[in-house]
Amino acid sequence: AQTVTQSQPEMSVQEAETVTLSCTYDTSESDYYLFWYKQPPSRQMILVIRQEAYKQQNATENRFSVNFQKAAKSFSLKISDSQLGDAAMYFCAYRRRGNNNDMRFGAGTRLTVKP
Amino acid sequence: KAGVTQTPRYLIKTRGQQVTLSCSPISGHRSVSWYQQTPGQGLQFLFEYFSETQRNKGNFPGRFSGRQFSNSRSEMNVSTLELGDSALYLCASSLGGPNDEQYFGPGTRLTVT
Repeated sequence: AQTVTQSQPEMSVQEAETVTLSCTYDTSESDYYLFWYKQPPSRQMILVIRQEAYKQQNATENRFSVNFQKAAKSFSLKISDSQLGDAAMYFCAYRRRGNNNDMRFGAGTRLTVKP
Repeated sequence: KAGVTQTPRYLIKTRGQQVTLSCSPISGHRSVSWYQQTPGQGLQFLFEYFSETQRNKGNFPGRFSGRQFSNSRSEMNVSTLELGDSALYLCASSLGGPNDEQYFGPGTRLTVT
């Protein structure tokens, strides 16, 4: 079974600084997707960034980038130039490739941004 | 394009009752997935429907069931409610292909007393 672990229940960062959220996962599959989702206090889950396992290049979306280490089964999220609007719960998620939307989520990391 | 909508947003039920939650996907999306979110267990996958057929199923008891209509709208039903069923129920829709992104709705907060 695939599991996703986020070892940091809470993190805080000063506005304009950089923070890295950690995620590890366990799978026997070789082809899969990894995601970071953001859930602000309003509760609507928003996709931040995704990575396809067969792509070695780390995904980047504006201020958000990942460090994908396939052999180590590690998938961390780096937020640069943190903004107050980045404050939210962040979930790491895994989905195996194929016609399925069975996503496995980590427990989440609550990010606080200090002004 | 309108986003994923879920009704009702809040619900209070009593133990032993049953409940039906509704999810309307983004227009054109054929896949609807349901997730349960609780403080203790986090986000857990319930099931996925694609073109009116259940395509994937999580590890939940048979009290949890769902269906999807021809317009892709989906309903989730929980029978014989237990206190532990109190949760935020999220649905997500996608086009349904292996590379397609899921879009989440705002959720239905179910409280069982």
